[in-house]
Amino acid sequence: QSALTQPASVSESPGQSITISCTGTSADIGAYNYVSWYQHHPGKAPKLIIYGVTNRPFGVSNRFSGSKSGNTASLTISGLQPEDEADYYCSSWTTSDTLVYVFGSGTKVTVL
Amino acid sequence: QVRLVESGGGLVKPGGSLRLSCAASGFSFSDYYMNWVRQAPGRGLEWVSYISSSGSTIYYPDSVKGRFTISRDNAKKTLYLQMNSLRVEDTAVYYCAREGVTPFLDYWGQGTVVTVSS
Repeated sequence: QSALTQPASVSESPGQSITISCTGTSADIGAYNYVSWYQHHPGKAPKLIIYGVTNRPFGVSNRFSGSKSGNTASLTISGLQPEDEADYYCSSWTTSDTLVYVFGSGTKVTVL
Repeated sequence: QVRLVESGGGLVKPGGSLRLSCAASGFSFSDYYMNWVRQAPGRGLEWVSYISSSGSTIYYPDSVKGRFTISRDNAKKTLYLQMNSLRVEDTAVYYCAREGVTPFLDYWGQGTVVTVSS
């Protein structure tokens, strides 16, 4: 199966903003508004931070925001904080008959 | 609060079997679809299986189809993953995850480690 494409790493200083892209196809990101984003600190449970392209679960900071254009989704983290250093994964529902969810390859965010 | 606790991981030889469990608490387990997701060492997340709330609808990716079986016991509030004919490439941390109202995974467990090696 083909994973969604994300940059391997992004680095930025505290207080700055970053945007992580997630590129899929017309069978997944382009087909549905069912893009979600997960924050994963190694050794811990992944945490949902964005669902339905733009929605934040209760308790997730408004520094996290999501968007989508065509087959590409994006996650923006504004006002970077040290605790934002983690791996970030996008995911989408897919029309493929052999998959339900497809995940991105993951982006390591480093706060300098 | 919602809690998912996986167990059953371990070291197994290629061709062997393991059964993972995921004990759920803090929510009405029988109302929710559930999934298994894994992460191989140094790799990203990979969806492994999906089961509807009643257990009547099940999906797998080609990478595990015919070898893995997802099931659930709603009375025991427990999700299972029976893994047969294990391969070295099945080595991973296995997470169970609850599906939200629309397709997203809103709660995850801490994971259980499966190592397939001779």
